[in-house]
Amino acid sequence: GAVVSQHPSWVICKSGTSVKIECRSLDFQATTMFWYRQFPKQSLMLMATSNEGSKATYEQGVEKDKFLINHASLTLSTLTVTSAHPEDSSFYICSARLLEYEQFFGPGTRLTVL
Amino acid sequence: QKEVEQNSGPLSVPEGAIASLNCTYSDRVSQSFFWYRQYSGKSPELIMSIYSNGDKEDGRFTAQLNKASQYVSLLIRDSQPSDSATYLCAVNLASNYQLIWGAGTKLIIKP
Repeated sequence: GAVVSQHPSWVICKSGTSVKIECRSLDFQATTMFWYRQFPKQSLMLMATSNEGSKATYEQGVEKDKFLINHASLTLSTLTVTSAHPEDSSFYICSARLLEYEQFFGPGTRLTVL
Repeated sequence: QKEVEQNSGPLSVPEGAIASLNCTYSDRVSQSFFWYRQYSGKSPELIMSIYSNGDKEDGRFTAQLNKASQYVSLLIRDSQPSDSATYLCAVNLASNYQLIWGAGTKLIIKP
């Protein structure tokens, strides 16, 4: 149980384009999902908390107009990186909350912006 | 600023020995503590959760919690090369559902 999927697993795009990443909880409903970013050999960095049916809460320094988050159902949250630039290249990982504070992670999406 | 501290390592342990990973946290009201394993290039995987003082065992893994000392540890018995990974300690933030993450300890099991 507690399986979270992410799609796509990797994406390469041109600078200035937008990329949408989907995060799905496959066998449970998640009222709360989280989006993280991780640069090579660095720790997880929380970008935003996504709550079903309400606006996401962004961490300090994360541009909400650049990283659009939608959590329209109890099993799906999406992250759209708008007008991507090479500095946005990173490993994006979502997690879904199951019980209290337990988070289960998707496999991650590796984004490369050319 | 609520923090979770871990030794970054690398921690090198011979195969078959016990690996001991440590974590301290600053928020006294935290109640939920987690250990995640992250292989290089992969996402974190939950391996242990602990909520009460004392030990919790699951197979070769034992989590130990001491709330008075604000200390949580993970012991891995009979270490295997496949245990080589970065181990992340996470602690709940009482005000919402977020976790505060340590930077992780890189563990290397030498055959």
